[in-house]
Amino acid sequence: AQKITQTQPGMFVQEKEAVTLDCTYDTSDQSYGLFWYKQPSSGEMIFLIYQGSYDEQNATEGRYSLNFQKARKSANLVISASQLGDSAMYFCAMREYNFNKFYFGSGTKLNVKP
Amino acid sequence: NAGVTQTPKFRILKIGQSMTLQCTQDMNHNYMYWYRQDPGMGLKLIYYSVGAGITDKGEVPNGYNVSRSTTEDFPLRLELAAPSQTSVYFCASSPDRFGSYEQYFGPGTRLTVT
Repeated sequence: AQKITQTQPGMFVQEKEAVTLDCTYDTSDQSYGLFWYKQPSSGEMIFLIYQGSYDEQNATEGRYSLNFQKARKSANLVISASQLGDSAMYFCAMREYNFNKFYFGSGTKLNVKP
Repeated sequence: NAGVTQTPKFRILKIGQSMTLQCTQDMNHNYMYWYRQDPGMGLKLIYYSVGAGITDKGEVPNGYNVSRSTTEDFPLRLELAAPSQTSVYFCASSPDRFGSYEQYFGPGTRLTVT
């Protein structure tokens, strides 16, 4: 079974609108962390946001927020007020702390239209 | 502050050749990782290390070897290169196993095997 599933290979959003990128995960570890990374066309991996499995509040970092629904095993990224510079690949990742494994999804390519 | 550095940036290998991808971090991180990213895909873990002298296999270790003689360096060795190893290789490090510590990524090495 896939550890991280991102079901949206590509998405379009109008500049200044909000967009949600979906991520579901699968783990038997009780202690884990969920991460989102951005990969622009230049190729580097940029860390955006983190959510711990025991965190009760949804994580926020500027225009990024993580909609964490533990029972549904989902960790969707919400980008508010999209900008042209947000056009990139976005990867959801999970770290299983007890097994010390790190898994990435296949990514969602976001295109922001002017 | 250099962070995670990788050399070379690009390399073309012939089938059956061998090479070592270099990775160095200057942040005194215990955890280091090697990933490969095939076109249009997410990252897959090849090997990781939790400290000098300790390494372990990830999802896709076949055809690769690693060593970790110092905290700073984590080279990845490809023996008998095959076209299936054409990919972008990322090295990453993180300071600890638990908590919100994201992985810090190097810029990547683009490898083509022909």
